Amino acid sequence: EPEVTQTPSHQVTQMGQEVILRCVPISNHLYFYWYRQILGQKVEFLVSFYNNEISEKSEIFDDQFSVERPDGSNFTLKIRSTKLEDSAMYFCASSGDLSDTQYFGPGTRLTVL
Amino acid sequence: ELKVEQNPLFLSMQEGKNYTIYCNYSTTSDRLYWYRQDPGKSLESLFVLLSNGAVKQEGRLMASLDTKARLSTLHITAAVHDLSATYFCAVYGGATNKLIFGTGTLLAVQP
Repeated sequence: EPEVTQTPSHQVTQMGQEVILRCVPISNHLYFYWYRQILGQKVEFLVSFYNNEISEKSEIFDDQFSVERPDGSNFTLKIRSTKLEDSAMYFCASSGDLSDTQYFGPGTRLTVL
Repeated sequence: ELKVEQNPLFLSMQEGKNYTIYCNYSTTSDRLYWYRQDPGKSLESLFVLLSNGAVKQEGRLMASLDTKARLSTLHITAAVHDLSATYFCAVYGGATNKLIFGTGTLLAVQP
């Protein structure tokens, strides 16, 4: 069964460093999303992406965040200068159509020291 | 701004018992999802509810939607330990299909 994959599963970084979180959405999906979940809290929307551009972004998604689909399969989230409060689980999701169920990847746990 | 609230936040129940998790949302939406999350794992889609009065059932879980009341329920029948997890409702939040998640309900089923 097709699934969303994410790498790495766990990333530890120093405050101020740049990180890139990678996702491979389900192959025939067209809509891509990033969410994050701070430990013990609810899942929060970050950004949605379609047709090689951002469709919508939340207040969390400030100038230090960016997304890219560098090739036909990968979808990346870059955090330019990490802060302690960026520590969270980051989930990638994809859907085939705008109204379809979103399928989530296993997540990347980001720890900023 | 769409807000989604769940209650209870934590539910400890014995095997064999029934219980209901509630999900309220603040503005009109035409779809609602239930997801399950095991500790340290991703979100598994359980149900999508698309219309008023929709009811979906899978095993011991049954979800329903009342769009007029802006309320969805997830009913657990004769709970078993394997159902222990965190359950999130998520409401479709606009033209870009972003999901607004509830606070989650941590369900612990005791033998």
